[in-house]
Amino acid sequence: LAKTTQPISMDSYEGQEVNITCSHNNIATNDYITWYQQFPSQGPRFIIQGYKTKVTNEVASLFIPADRKSSTLSLPRVSLSDTAVYYCLVGGNYGGSQGNLIFGKGTKLSVKP
Amino acid sequence: GAGVSQSPSNKVTEKGKDVELRCDPISGHTALYWYRQSLGQGLEFLIYFQGNSAPDKSGLPSDRFSAERTGGSVSTLTIQRTQQEDSAVYLCASSPGRPNNEQFFGPGTRLTVL
Repeated sequence: LAKTTQPISMDSYEGQEVNITCSHNNIATNDYITWYQQFPSQGPRFIIQGYKTKVTNEVASLFIPADRKSSTLSLPRVSLSDTAVYYCLVGGNYGGSQGNLIFGKGTKLSVKP
Repeated sequence: GAGVSQSPSNKVTEKGKDVELRCDPISGHTALYWYRQSLGQGLEFLIYFQGNSAPDKSGLPSDRFSAERTGGSVSTLTIQRTQQEDSAVYLCASSPGRPNNEQFFGPGTRLTVL
């Protein structure tokens, strides 16, 4: 399974755009890239998933360069409620035979007023 | 529909006792995961079930830990001879399986070993 590296923590202010980058140098051809969000005392919640280029939903955007060795989660105009831990996962073997995704330590985002 | 449920929500036990934690996944989900999360830490993968395949037990920290999934649905995580370092929140997640691997998490069981 591909290992991921992401910053331990980040600080931001309300209304700013936040970009969290994750490195996954040994990503496999069939691996997805998935991001989850976790609030205190809750289980993680799916945010976005992509394979290549750019994916956007109502919550975030995910940018994946051509070599797929990194990915960037972009949160537009964050609010205090976006304070959480964000996990980058690589795996899942898109269209393949395995479905397990392994969580790393995540990035703790703190949004300040 | 109902999400992933776990029971009990909290469990306090004495060192050396055995405990069983239960997970009811979302109906129809073929994949089921167990994780452990210590206070302020990330998620630690424990075990993964996919359909009728042999489970991936590579994350189990010791032979005191075991898990079963009966009938491809409910799962039980058993910890024998609990130790204080087993204290953590135990999270269960289920997933529809290929090609959608999004995991849906339960609320967790907070285990405290005295």
